[in-house]
Amino acid sequence: QKEVEQDPGPLSVPEGAIVSLNCTYSNSAFQYFMWYRQYSRKGPELLMYTYSSGNKEDGRFTAQVDKSSKYISLFIRDSQPSDSATYLCAMSPNYGGSQGNLIFGKGTKLSVKP
Amino acid sequence: GAGVSQTPSNKVTEKGKYVELRCDPISGHTALYWYRQSLGQGPEFLIYFQGTGAADDSGLPNDRFFAVRPEGSVSTLKIQRTERGDSAVYLCASSLNRRQECSRESNQPQHFGDGTRLSIL
Repeated sequence: QKEVEQDPGPLSVPEGAIVSLNCTYSNSAFQYFMWYRQYSRKGPELLMYTYSSGNKEDGRFTAQVDKSSKYISLFIRDSQPSDSATYLCAMSPNYGGSQGNLIFGKGTKLSVKP
Repeated sequence: GAGVSQTPSNKVTEKGKYVELRCDPISGHTALYWYRQSLGQGPEFLIYFQGTGAADDSGLPNDRFFAVRPEGSVSTLKIQRTERGDSAVYLCASSLNRRQECSRESNQPQHFGDGTRLSIL
């Protein structure tokens, strides 16, 4: 079993839909949780960054972390065609001055149809 | 621009050759990371530098892979005797880490470049 599991999709939704993306993990030492968006032939772009459990909202994006279930989610409201990309979850156990290495999921490929 | 810059963007070479991949981090970022991303997979960690020294090289797959950061800014990933299995996108990331502080607020996120797409024929 991989440390981080993420359904690779593809996931196709109509414009305006609410999108739910999820990852599960096995390492209870993970403290930092991130969502990156990656367009084709581009590097990952940081979307959301949370510490420990709870919710965080930024515009149309909401990140949730449930450490008791080892489950994290990213919700996208009012999805747009420009949201079409691969979404990667990433996590780290490190604390203090450095994140050290991030553990990534495989990524979920999202397509938002006009 | 102000982001992480990686060169070349694409590299095609023959099996057995030596390659060097370059990363220019965001100005002022003390931490620098190398990852490798295969098709359909998430990035996998290779090595992490804090300043000039390699703080964690546990992700390097074997001794054909080596990385340096001699002046604490630009880094070069070097691959000797390349194999077809080395074909992947090599990503570099940097972050601003405040080593003097030991709190969760000083843990800074990593920002990625667009990678070098390496193809070994």
